[in-house]
Amino acid sequence: AQRVTQPEKLLSVFKGAPVELKCNYSYSGSPELFWYVQYSRQRLQLLLRHISRESIKGFTADLNKGETSFHLKKPFAQEEDSAMYYCALAFNTGNQFYFGTGTSLTVIP
Amino acid sequence: ETGVTQSPTHLIKTRGQQVTLRCSSQSGHNTVSWYQQALGQGPQFIFQYYREEENGRGNFPPRFSGLQFPNYSSELNVNALELDDSALYLCASSIPGGASTEAFFGQGTRLTVV
Repeated sequence: AQRVTQPEKLLSVFKGAPVELKCNYSYSGSPELFWYVQYSRQRLQLLLRHISRESIKGFTADLNKGETSFHLKKPFAQEEDSAMYYCALAFNTGNQFYFGTGTSLTVIP
Repeated sequence: ETGVTQSPTHLIKTRGQQVTLRCSSQSGHNTVSWYQQALGQGPQFIFQYYREEENGRGNFPPRFSGLQFPNYSSELNVNALELDDSALYLCASSIPGGASTEAFFGQGTRLTVV
C-alpha cells in the first residue's frame, strides 16, 4: 500500500533554532515527493518538490530512497514559518497525491 | 489569471440528502482533482478529471461522482449523504505533464452532514 507518514502532529521550536519536519513514505514505484504548506487562513500551496532540488524560503528537503524519507529542514526558523505542513507523494504522474496527516509547526518568538 | 475558486464555502445537509460542490479551475488548467479532508487528517484523493473524462479514482464509493465541463470547471456530487461525509472538500487544478507538477488548491467547501 502507498503511504505517507508524518509522525509529529505538533512541533514547536524557538525562533532561530533549526527545524526538521519528518516524512516517511512507502511506494512501489519511483516516488515523486512534495511538501505543501498551509498558512493561517490561506489555501494549501506548494512549498517545494524533490525533483526541483531547490530551496524555498530557506527550506530544503532531500529524498532518501534508502530510508524512504523526505524530511523538510530549515537551519533557522522564523515566526512566519508557523503553519501546517503536509508531505505528499504523487502517483500516476498526474498530480494525484497521497498526503500525510500534516505537522503543525509553531515558531516561538 | 484567476485562481481556483470553489462554491459554496459552507454547506449543511441532512443525512440521506444529495449535494453538489463546484470548482472553477485556474485559467489554462485542464485537470481538476477533488480531495476530502476530514478533521485532523490530510487531504484524501477522491478522483481526477482530465478533458472531461475521469482520470483516476481513490478509494471512495460510487455515490461520490463528478463531472468536468468544456471550460474545465468541475462538480463533485455526493448522494445518500452520511455523517462521515462531513469534511472539507478541496479542489485542485493543474496542467498535466511528464512528471507531476504543482497542483493549485481552492479554499475548500466545508460540508456538514447532520
